[in-house]
Amino acid sequence: NAGVTQTPKFRILKIGQSMTLQCTQDMNHNYMYWYRQDPGMGLKLIYYSVGAGITDKGEVPNGYNVSRSTTEDFPLRLELAAPSQTSVYFCASSYFEGARGANVLTFGAGSRLTVL
Amino acid sequence: RKEVEQDPGPFNVPEGATVAFNCTYSNSASQSFFWYRQDCRKEPKLLMSVYSSGNEDGRFTAQLNRASQYISLLIRDSKLSDSATYLCVVNSGTGRRALTFGSGTRLQVQP
Repeated sequence: NAGVTQTPKFRILKIGQSMTLQCTQDMNHNYMYWYRQDPGMGLKLIYYSVGAGITDKGEVPNGYNVSRSTTEDFPLRLELAAPSQTSVYFCASSYFEGARGANVLTFGAGSRLTVL
Repeated sequence: RKEVEQDPGPFNVPEGATVAFNCTYSNSASQSFFWYRQDCRKEPKLLMSVYSSGNEDGRFTAQLNRASQYISLLIRDSKLSDSATYLCVVNSGTGRRALTFGSGTRLQVQP
């Protein structure tokens, strides 16, 4: 199994450009997430989805959009890129351990984005 | 106060040493707790869940203290390969927004 696959691994954008980070998982997980991680910082939740057709904002959604048309795919769209969006982006998916109320996350390898 | 706080380190220890990290959380309703490991420029990976009674996985022991709202990770007989950043993760409920990551504690094991 591939797990969670993100593309591209690296990208340099100019201010004002747009792009889409792709994320695919083959574990049939219902839950998917996008996080960003700035240097020396923890992960901050951008958007998440609890299933196909359902998305919701996380902690830092401004400047981003998502869609979830299938269980497998959860792309993240950056509109009008800004230097503040320079970061490493991680996609993750999870299953839900109902008995313990716990989500266990599997992460993709990350996408390193620089906006100049 | 941050929801999940960790000492950023770095903790520099010699091989074979025992090292412990603590993590405090602010939401007393938090239900589940994890330690993730993140190697430099890589994605986080689950190291272990933390159970109320404490749990052990080889050289790693995790403890939970609900009264004081902290969790700990103990690494015995440190190896060079243990060098990484250790992220404390707290799930404050059944909501998908509820996973909160600490900023991580960096461990450097030296020969």
